[in-house]
Amino acid sequence: GAVVSQHPSRVICKSGTSVKIECRSLDFQATTMFWYRQFPKQSLMLMATSNEGSKATYEQGVEKDKFLINHASLTLSTLTVTSAHPEDSSFYICSARSPATQETQYFGPGTRLLVL
Amino acid sequence: AQSVTQPDIHITVSEGASLELRCNYSYGATPYLFWYVQSPGQGLQLLLKYFSGDTLVQGIKGFEAEFKRSQSSFNLRKPSVHWSDAAEYFCAVGAAGGTSYGKLTFGQGTILTVHP
Repeated sequence: GAVVSQHPSRVICKSGTSVKIECRSLDFQATTMFWYRQFPKQSLMLMATSNEGSKATYEQGVEKDKFLINHASLTLSTLTVTSAHPEDSSFYICSARSPATQETQYFGPGTRLLVL
Repeated sequence: AQSVTQPDIHITVSEGASLELRCNYSYGATPYLFWYVQSPGQGLQLLLKYFSGDTLVQGIKGFEAEFKRSQSSFNLRKPSVHWSDAAEYFCAVGAAGGTSYGKLTFGQGTILTVHP
């Protein structure tokens, strides 16, 4: 149980375009989803917390207009990187949590974004 | 604010040898503590967690961890390492309440190399 998927697993896009990443909880309803960013050989940095049906809460220094987060249902959250630039290239990982998972976050497999 | 320190960036052990990965945390109250493992290019898999109760926690793949409040530590151990254990290991602390409820703060990670 507690399986989280992400799509796509990797994406290459041109500078200036927008990219959408999906995060789904497959076998439980996620009341909260989190989005992280991981640079090579570094730890995970929390970008934002997303609660179903409400606006995401962004961490300090994260541009909310650049990283649009939508959590429209209890099983789906999306992260849209708008007007992507090469410095946005990174590994993006989502996680999901609910009372059913005893407040434990379960992570998706990640999405590798490369902006050319 | 909560923080996590993993003092060892890289550890190398021989297959069959015992393993201990160190983790120290800073948190104002009793924390939620986690160990996750990440294989290259993959998401994070939960190894074990501590919320309360018995301070020695058993996890998957033969791992265990011990919560020591007096030392603010949550070290991960395995009596006999297998080659498949080679990966990066992250310790994380979660806020049990307050405005940061549910958020995880990760350590820098420890890369484990296993020699045959």
